[in-house]
Amino acid sequence: DAGVTQSPTHLIKTRGQHVTLRCSPISGHKSVSWYQQVLGQGPQFIFQYYEKEERGRGNFPDRFSARQFPNYSSELNVNALLLGDSALYLCASRPWTSGGKWPYEQYFGPGTRLTVT
Amino acid sequence: DQQVKQNSPSLSVQEGRISILNCDYTNSMFDYFLWYKKYPAEGPTFLISISSIKDKNEDGRFTVFLNKSAKHLSLHIVPSQPGDSAVYFCAANRNDKIIFGKGTRLHILP
Repeated sequence: DAGVTQSPTHLIKTRGQHVTLRCSPISGHKSVSWYQQVLGQGPQFIFQYYEKEERGRGNFPDRFSARQFPNYSSELNVNALLLGDSALYLCASRPWTSGGKWPYEQYFGPGTRLTVT
Repeated sequence: DQQVKQNSPSLSVQEGRISILNCDYTNSMFDYFLWYKKYPAEGPTFLISISSIKDKNEDGRFTVFLNKSAKHLSLHIVPSQPGDSAVYFCAANRNDKIIFGKGTRLHILP
């Protein structure tokens, strides 16, 4: 089975521009989460989506937005890019188990390395 | 305010010996803890987890210990192998939000 895929792998943008990052979850996984990992830090939670609805949001400004599509793939959008947005952006998916209980283990994609100059 | 802390940025261990990675947390409402391993240019890979109602979970060479009174957990790898060289992240869950520590880089020496 294919794992979580993300595109593009690398991206260079200029301050003030906007960017769209894409994620395809593992087949059968209905939940997608986005994380930002700055150099030297652990991944920081940005959003969680399930069944096209936002289920959680981290402490990020409104410049960050996301959506989930009917096929459970997801996009992360960042507007008005700042130098501090340079980071590895990780997408993770996880299934929905019977009984409505989340398995907490997430499966991460390789990430998109965003550089803002 | 770091709720999940990994105070050792790096650790070097001889091949075949035990590796012990430590993690402290501040929020007593965390209900689940996880360890992830990350190689360069790859996303984190889930290793092992433990519920807050347990004090030990074992999976092959990996064992996680949880001391709730001390708000401390540790990951033991026995025996350590060269392929274990990676960055290890401790993570904690509350309300479906997972919070990661900064990571510890483990070097396995030949």
